Amino acid sequence: KAGVTQTPRYLIKTRGQQVTLSCSPISGHRSVSWYQQTPGQGLQFLFEYFSETQRNKGNFPGRFSGRQFSNSRSEMNVSTLELGDSALYLCASSQASGNTGELFFGEGSRLTVL
Amino acid sequence: AQKITQTQPGMFVQEKEAVTLDCTYDTSDPSYGLFWYKQPSSGEMIFLIYQGSYDQQNATEGRYSLNFQKARKSANLVISASQLGDSAMYFCAMSLKTGANNLFFGTGTRLTVIP
Repeated sequence: KAGVTQTPRYLIKTRGQQVTLSCSPISGHRSVSWYQQTPGQGLQFLFEYFSETQRNKGNFPGRFSGRQFSNSRSEMNVSTLELGDSALYLCASSQASGNTGELFFGEGSRLTVL
Repeated sequence: AQKITQTQPGMFVQEKEAVTLDCTYDTSDPSYGLFWYKQPSSGEMIFLIYQGSYDQQNATEGRYSLNFQKARKSANLVISASQLGDSAMYFCAMSLKTGANNLFFGTGTRLTVIP
């Protein structure tokens, strides 16, 4: 069974640009959550999508957005990049929404903003 | 507000010995879940163990056990018979039964297993 796949694994952008990250969940999983990991702030919840609907959103500015497609694949977008957006962005999938148990994480997309 | 506290930035353990990683939490919600994840240098978060707030017995998964003390609001991870491959960052996390997969993470503990 394939795990959670995130692309790209590494990317470098400059301030002001935008970036789109992709996450393919485990087959059959309908919930996709996104987390940002930085040395200073640690791991923080961005948002969760379930059946193409955003279920919950963390405390991030509107520059951070996401969506989920009918095949459960999800994308997140960050517009007008700032230096502080440099981070490891982790995607997690699960069969259901609602803290029913284990989240399966991908290896992350490491974004560097110059 | 929800909070997870891991007070040990780094821990060392001799191979084949047991080690306890500390985690305390704070929430006023009576229904919650507690998780431990392992993050090797590759970046992937690997699920280790889960404990529900209403579970009567401490959770165990192979060499991992969770020492759940509800009154003290602690959820320590015990790793028995440490292996070199256990060297990694370990994160304690909490979820609330709010209908979303929103985990609150601690700051992590870096475990180093010494041969």
